[in-house]
Amino acid sequence: GIQVEQSPPDLILQEGANSTLRCNFSDSVNNLQWFHQNPWGQLINLFYIPSGTKQNGRLSATTVATERYSLLYISSSQTTDSGVYFCAVFRVEIQGAQKLVFGQGTRLTINP
Amino acid sequence: GAVVSQHPSRVICKSGTSVKIECRSLDFQATTMFWYRQFPKQSLMLMATSNEGSKATYEQGVEKDKFLINHASLTLSTLTVTSAHPEDSSFYICSARESAFRGYTFGSGTRLTVV
Repeated sequence: GIQVEQSPPDLILQEGANSTLRCNFSDSVNNLQWFHQNPWGQLINLFYIPSGTKQNGRLSATTVATERYSLLYISSSQTTDSGVYFCAVFRVEIQGAQKLVFGQGTRLTINP
Repeated sequence: GAVVSQHPSRVICKSGTSVKIECRSLDFQATTMFWYRQFPKQSLMLMATSNEGSKATYEQGVEKDKFLINHASLTLSTLTVTSAHPEDSSFYICSARESAFRGYTFGSGTRLTVV
């Protein structure tokens, strides 16, 4: 099956710093999403980004589907940005089954 | 936007009993819903795909007789953990997609503890 690798696995920064999270995937995908999992476990959808670049406030994401990677940028980090960031790729299998496959996540800690 | 509601958010049950978790799409219809399981400090693992009006599709290694899935309507899928044991303790999350042109939305999850 498709492999999704995220890096770095852990990232500790001071408030105000910028960061870049990476997601590599091993095969062509139909779509890609970035999520933030808060301390209560809720998965918050950040971006639905099959290709190109999107921005939402201090966050932006870029997916280069032909090179099989996506990047999530967080600028001017705040303590509330702490949590786990997941990349998930959506793929329609040959048999028609749909799957959303997750990477292992990047655990981000923003210190005041 | 699309909202997926999941209940209960937390449940503690005795070993050997069964627990039902509900997943509802509140403002859209979902012919397909997905059930995930997440252990502490790990990623989400797809357990099964719930199909409205037909049998669920289970991922390899997931016991279909232990994790019963029913998708009886276009807005409701249920996961029943039968004869639960402590090793079934985990965080269970469901998801659905409003349309082919939108991403997946997740429920708030259910933390199951079997004692």
